[in-house]
Amino acid sequence: GAGVSQSPRYKVAKRGQDVALRCDPISGHVSLFWYQQALGQGPEFLTYFQNEAQLDKSGLPSDRFFAERPEGSVSTLKIQRTQQEDSAVYLCASTIQTSGGYTFGSGTRLTVV
Amino acid sequence: EDQVTQSPEALRLQEGESSSLNCSYTVSGLRGLFWYRQDPGKGPEFLFTLYSAGEEKEKERLKATLTKKESFLHITAPKPEDSATYLCAVQAPSGNTPLVFGKGTRLSVIA
Repeated sequence: GAGVSQSPRYKVAKRGQDVALRCDPISGHVSLFWYQQALGQGPEFLTYFQNEAQLDKSGLPSDRFFAERPEGSVSTLKIQRTQQEDSAVYLCASTIQTSGGYTFGSGTRLTVV
Repeated sequence: EDQVTQSPEALRLQEGESSSLNCSYTVSGLRGLFWYRQDPGKGPEFLFTLYSAGEEKEKERLKATLTKKESFLHITAPKPEDSATYLCAVQAPSGNTPLVFGKGTRLSVIA
């Protein structure tokens, strides 16, 4: 597609519920990144894929967070047993190479109640 | 650890009142410094990449400059539609290092 598409745009989850957030990158973009953005803060890195390989997951805050990109295109970020501190906007970005400007999606706003 | 500090946190300007936003960075080598614009409810939108000290880039009313320790985003004669949060990010040169972002400067331009 023309841009990075993320779904859902908004998600409200009860504490303890599992959620799955989807990212459709720009076609042909090799690199895909997930970031977490708390209110009033800058994006913080979670994880990075090059094609289907997850090359860096150092930013995932706990083992409740899991990401996959099985065919090197669409990616899913899964959060198990959600907690209130997981409430944030989750941004996905893609780029055709490992350096240079990323193209971001509009994000998924997750609210855990 | 790579760090990016942006100042001020918030800036309020009258339409036509030029100013600058600051981005100070600490990184073990610099592959690139990036400026993004973020509107409420949207993802960051890429503006510029700067690679070496002394480099400058311009787009409409915006000009970005880079030194060895900081970058400035100069806004000349701003308009209300320039109101947004401006984010600065750095990328270290080694491997597939992801961008490290600052907290941003929230700019409001009043007509």
